Amino acid sequence: GIQVEQSPPDLILQEGANSTLRCNFSDSVNNLQWFHQNPWGQLINLFYIPSGTKQNGRLSATTVATERYSLLYISSSQTTDSGVYFCAVSAGGATNKLIFGTGTLLAVQP
Amino acid sequence: DTEVTQTPKHLVMGMTNKKSLKCEQHMGHRAMYWYKQKAKKPPELMFVYSYEKLSINESVPSRFSPECPNSSLLNLHLHALQPEDSALYLCASSPTRPNTGELFFGEGSRLTVL
Repeated sequence: GIQVEQSPPDLILQEGANSTLRCNFSDSVNNLQWFHQNPWGQLINLFYIPSGTKQNGRLSATTVATERYSLLYISSSQTTDSGVYFCAVSAGGATNKLIFGTGTLLAVQP
Repeated sequence: DTEVTQTPKHLVMGMTNKKSLKCEQHMGHRAMYWYKQKAKKPPELMFVYSYEKLSINESVPSRFSPECPNSSLLNLHLHALQPEDSALYLCASSPTRPNTGELFFGEGSRLTVL
């Protein structure tokens, strides 16, 4: 099955710093999503981005499907950005079977 | 606020109990999912329903029994669970047109098996 690797596994930032999170996947995909999991466990949708670039406030994402990677940019980080960031992909077929990456644990310090 | 609602938020049960987790969505989605997440791990797919029919079972033990009574509801019936089944159980839904639609997750049900 498709493999999804994220880097770095852990990241510590000072408030106000910028960061880039990476997601590599082993096969062609037709669905890619970025999530933020808050300390209570809820998965919050950040981007639905099987290809191209999107921006939402301080966050933006780029997926280069032909090279099998996606990047999530966080600018001017805030303590509320802390948590685990997952990318998840689906290789299509009859059912939208979303497979999660290994995650990046982000801690933003005041 | 999430448009996928899960109840209960927390559940503690013994190994001989029978309980159910419930999930509801009103977005008109026709695909619904159960995921299981252990601490410090990514969510893992358990079941997928498409148009109220089970389309994927990821070799989940029979002590977990899913049910989709209608297009808005998804249940997960639990019986004779083991302590290692303690985890966060996440429900999600997505459109089926296209089949690559965005998944939306509920807040999860945190299960502890004693």
